[in-house]
Amino acid sequence: GAVVSQHPSRVICKSGTSVKIECRSLDFQATTMFWYRQFPKKSLMLMATSNEGSKATYEQGVEKDKFLINHASLTLSTLTVTSAHPEDSSFYICSASPLAGVRDTQYFGPGTRLTVL
Amino acid sequence: GQQLNQSPQSMFIQEGEDVSMNCTSSSIFNTWLWYKQEPGEGPVLLIALYKAGELTSNGRLTAQFGITRKDSFLNISASIPSDVGIYFCAGRGGGATNKLIFGTGTLLAVQP
Repeated sequence: GAVVSQHPSRVICKSGTSVKIECRSLDFQATTMFWYRQFPKKSLMLMATSNEGSKATYEQGVEKDKFLINHASLTLSTLTVTSAHPEDSSFYICSASPLAGVRDTQYFGPGTRLTVL
Repeated sequence: GQQLNQSPQSMFIQEGEDVSMNCTSSSIFNTWLWYKQEPGEGPVLLIALYKAGELTSNGRLTAQFGITRKDSFLNISASIPSDVGIYFCAGRGGGATNKLIFGTGTLLAVQP
C-alpha cells in the first residue's frame, strides 16, 4: 500500500520549452501532495504544498509562475516547469499524505530527472 | 530553507557492523520520520515516531524520538550491503500544515 508514482521518470528538453510532471497516489487518496527539488548529493527542498481543489502554497523563493501546480483530484497533482532553463535541471520528487490511515506521514514518488539543454 | 542537522555526514563500514546516526534541531517537532533513498529513487519511509521518548523498531532498524522533541536517532544493527543509501530524518512541527523539514542526510556505504 501507499504507492506514489511519477511520470515521466526522466525527461530531456530544450531551453524555453515547458515540461509537465505527474504525481499520482495509486492506492490511497491524498488531499495534500508536496513537490520537492533535490540537487545532487543534497537534501530535499520543499517547493510547494499542493491542496486538492485549491491553490498551491509555495515556499519562499519559489516562483509560482515558473512552477505551475495543479491538484485536480485526490489522486493526481501536476507540476509544470514553464520556459525551462538549464538551471531548472534537477531531480523533482513528489509526495502524498494519506487522507486517512497513517497520520502525518508522506509517501514519496520515485522522482523525475529533468535535464534542460 | 530550514534544515535539520544530521550526523555523521557519511559512514563507511564493514558488513555486520552496527550503525548509528542522529538528527538534531533547534525547534520542537511533533513527528519524526526516517527515510532511506537509493540513487535515482525517491525516499522510502522506514520508521515514523509520534511521541516524545517513543522507541520503535522495524526489523534491524530502531529509532527513537528524543525526550526534548528536538532530536532523534536511527540505529541499524548487523548491516548488510543492501543497507547502502542515503538516510534522511524529517521532522514535522505543529499547526495545520503537514510540511516536513528534512535533515542533511547520512550516506551509508557497507563493504561486504
